[in-house]
Amino acid sequence: DAMVIQNPRYQVTQFGKPVTLSCSQTLNHNVMYWYQQKSSQAPKLLFHYYDKDFNNEADTPDNFQSRRPNTSFCFLDIRSPGLGDAAMYLCATSRDLSGNEKLFFGSGTQLSVL
Amino acid sequence: GESVGLHLPTLSVQEGDNSIINCAYSNSASDYFIWYKQESGKGPQFIIDIRSNMDKRQGQRVTVLLNKTVKHLSLQIAATQPGDSAVYFCADGDGNTDKLIFGTGTRLQVFP
Repeated sequence: DAMVIQNPRYQVTQFGKPVTLSCSQTLNHNVMYWYQQKSSQAPKLLFHYYDKDFNNEADTPDNFQSRRPNTSFCFLDIRSPGLGDAAMYLCATSRDLSGNEKLFFGSGTQLSVL
Repeated sequence: GESVGLHLPTLSVQEGDNSIINCAYSNSASDYFIWYKQESGKGPQFIIDIRSNMDKRQGQRVTVLLNKTVKHLSLQIAATQPGDSAVYFCADGDGNTDKLIFGTGTRLQVFP
């Protein structure tokens, strides 16, 4: 029944050790997004894919990269996690670009950096 | 929505009362508005949305009101239940942009 699935739910990594978070969707939506959310704050958009086209937000650090090998899967790679990267990472999808479309969110991956 | 600061506004209501959560937006061109509920440790969950050609829309126990004149959006929850306790986010967007803008969330606490 799950439509946007994120794995794992909790991820612990060490300072500077690369980590990959995964997202898959069963909705066949064109757009997949990655958001970062810190405690008590609104989700912050990092980047999105419209089909295979990658769109990076201007203030997203180079430390964050993404891959979308096919329609269903999208990955968030953090090349050298810092303590400030500890956060909830949310994957979302939409049928089309989301200026006037509903976003469907996954359950998130809570990342801890030791 | 306007996402500013780290302070999360909190609304405390008694079980059974009605709740009203407010949101301001700044983009005059916004024509799509949406409310999400986020429980602790979970992803945001869609509640209700509304387009700018409407000023009111009702769902199950929830109503969204849109006042375009003052750029204000509200979410009304009838007969608030303990399960409604969560952080609520509004978001807005328009057809010329490729993203929704999230507002500062409001924490709803329901006490018996």
